[in-house]
Amino acid sequence: NAGVTQTPKFQVLKTGQSMTLQCAQDMNHEYMSWYRQDPGMGLRLIHYSVGAGITDQGEVPNGYNVSRSTTEDFPLRLLSAAPSQTSVYFCASRGGDLGYEQYFGPGTRLTVT
Amino acid sequence: RKEVEQDPGPFNVPEGATVAFNCTYSNSASQSFFWYRQDCRKEPKLLMSVYSSGNEDGRFTAQLNRASQYISLLIRDSKLSDSATYLCVVNPYSSASKIIFGSGTRLSIRP
Repeated sequence: NAGVTQTPKFQVLKTGQSMTLQCAQDMNHEYMSWYRQDPGMGLRLIHYSVGAGITDQGEVPNGYNVSRSTTEDFPLRLLSAAPSQTSVYFCASRGGDLGYEQYFGPGTRLTVT
Repeated sequence: RKEVEQDPGPFNVPEGATVAFNCTYSNSASQSFFWYRQDCRKEPKLLMSVYSSGNEDGRFTAQLNRASQYISLLIRDSKLSDSATYLCVVNPYSSASKIIFGSGTRLSIRP
């Protein structure tokens, strides 16, 4: 099992560019989430999905879109990058509801200039 | 008030010492609780779940105090390898879709 994989590991964008952060898991998990982590702010939930075809907004969804066409993949799209989106992005998956462990991908370090 | 609050530290303790952190949560209906560990520039990984009856795993003990709405993590006989950031995680809702992470407590163990 590869677990949760994310690509790319690093990315530099110019303001206004768009891009997609990829996330995939091979554990057949229903729940998948995207977080951003900024110094002193902890992990903040951007979007999440409870199954293929179902997505919902988290705490900080503005400027990001997601889709979940398959159980395995949960890409995060930045529509028009802004310097405020400079952060480390983590994708996570979980096998069930309450009490289940979240598995995180290795993260994508994004810088927007 | 933040939903989950942690002392950011850093806690700087000598090897072999015992150290404890607390994490407070605001929603009394919170259902499940965890401690995660995050090494520098790495992803968070589950350290242990926190049960109502407490939970012990080797040198690590986690406790839940529902009356005062906090969870705690105790590390005994600390090792250099325990140096990391410890994240408190709380599920404030009946569904686990929107779990909340604390901003973490930094621990540094010195020789």
